[in-house]
Amino acid sequence: EIVLTQSPGTLSLSPGERATLSCRASQSVSSSYLAWYQQKPGQAPRLLIYGASSRATGIPDRFSGSGSGTDFTLTISRLEPEDFAVYYCQQYGSSPPAVTFGGGTKVEIK
Amino acid sequence: QITLKESGPTLVKPTQTLTLTCTFSGFSLSTSGVGVGWIRQPPGKALEWLALIYWNDDKRYSPSLKSRLTITKDTSKNQVVLTMTNMDPVDTATYYCAHRRGGYYAFDIWGQGTMVTVSS
Repeated sequence: EIVLTQSPGTLSLSPGERATLSCRASQSVSSSYLAWYQQKPGQAPRLLIYGASSRATGIPDRFSGSGSGTDFTLTISRLEPEDFAVYYCQQYGSSPPAVTFGGGTKVEIK
Repeated sequence: QITLKESGPTLVKPTQTLTLTCTFSGFSLSTSGVGVGWIRQPPGKALEWLALIYWNDDKRYSPSLKSRLTITKDTSKNQVVLTMTNMDPVDTATYYCAHRRGGYYAFDIWGQGTMVTVSS
């Protein structure tokens, strides 16, 4: 089973700054199978990125995803007040067929 | 507009079986490529995937929980049901169901979640 490790655990930044979040897989993951979610307190997760770099419907272009193999990155180019939240990466494996989530990165206001 | 809503007991006793229902609208679970998954989140912890059922009745389970889980669908009622046996206090969590769009290897629409507490 593929394990996803997210770093850092917490990122303390100010509005307007750039956020770079990392997701590392224990085995190579197809880019098609890597997604990112945002979750705010008391809310369900929201899909931000699928296929490693494609933005989901309605997601602002300040969110971008990149990476391949075992290393993937979510970048928020300029943090808006509503972007302070927890972010999860997720992979969708085929052998064995399973879905796994990373442990999350909290982006907090500095 | 796609919506999903989870329903079920808020409190179950240890060793009991949990049955959760996901009632959805705005899509059909007989459309090629579509799936519905269950994901849970213990208080203050990360997301954990549980199970996924596809339009063709193919089913996938978390390897660590496979022996305790069963997922089924009722296409005519637009419902997906998850059962989890032998509940334990560590299973206390918010349980979400979510829509998987054909061609997406991700869950694009989520329900609001339902909190389940396991306690005697």
